Amino acid sequence: DTAVSQTPKYLVTQMGNDKSIKCEQNLGHDTMYWYKQDSKKFLKIMFSYNNKELIINETVPNRFSPKSPDKAHLNLHINSLELGDSAVYFCASSLGQGAQQPQHFGDGTRLSIL
Amino acid sequence: DAKTTQPPSMDCAEGRAANLPCNHSTISGNEYVYWYRQIHSQGPQYIIHGLKNNETNEMASLIITEDRKSSTLILPHATLRDTAVYYCIVRGKNTGFQKLVFGTGTRLLVSP
Repeated sequence: DTAVSQTPKYLVTQMGNDKSIKCEQNLGHDTMYWYKQDSKKFLKIMFSYNNKELIINETVPNRFSPKSPDKAHLNLHINSLELGDSAVYFCASSLGQGAQQPQHFGDGTRLSIL
Repeated sequence: DAKTTQPPSMDCAEGRAANLPCNHSTISGNEYVYWYRQIHSQGPQYIIHGLKNNETNEMASLIITEDRKSSTLILPHATLRDTAVYYCIVRGKNTGFQKLVFGTGTRLLVSP
């Protein structure tokens, strides 16, 4: 009965590779997000989608491309991985975009670039 | 660009109430106060949020001062599993209402 699930949980890959992280929510929410937590533990938003439409893109490099095939899924594809991409990536979802709607997070994907 | 100030760390004895303070002196009238926590190696967990009134749910209570410039999260009977980093976040139109802006939080250590 996991609400927000991400796969894979761990991802170890070489610099220069392309990889994808998948996120699914079974809460019936309309809005989904990607956050990045770096090695210093700072959590920062990357993208947000509402009803499959991109509403936030926080100056993330073009190598990162989110895709929302439907309201329940938001995937993150990363091209030409760099050492600095090593981080924990969290997916989240909320009922709507409004500030009164709590966001609920998955348990993260730990990406390590060799 | 977090709009909140929290102590970096706090200790609490198991079974006692944990009172975590947060200052948000520049909060605007339409901004909410949110609390999340992150237990080691897990995703941020939503705890509670409020606008003006005090709020209570099964996890915690949120006390917001009348001028809304500060708030306190209360865990009434802390357990060892409450050891985590607690984030106080202001969210609304001025902060980009769709997103949560996390600061450095308060690391709460609950001891036996």
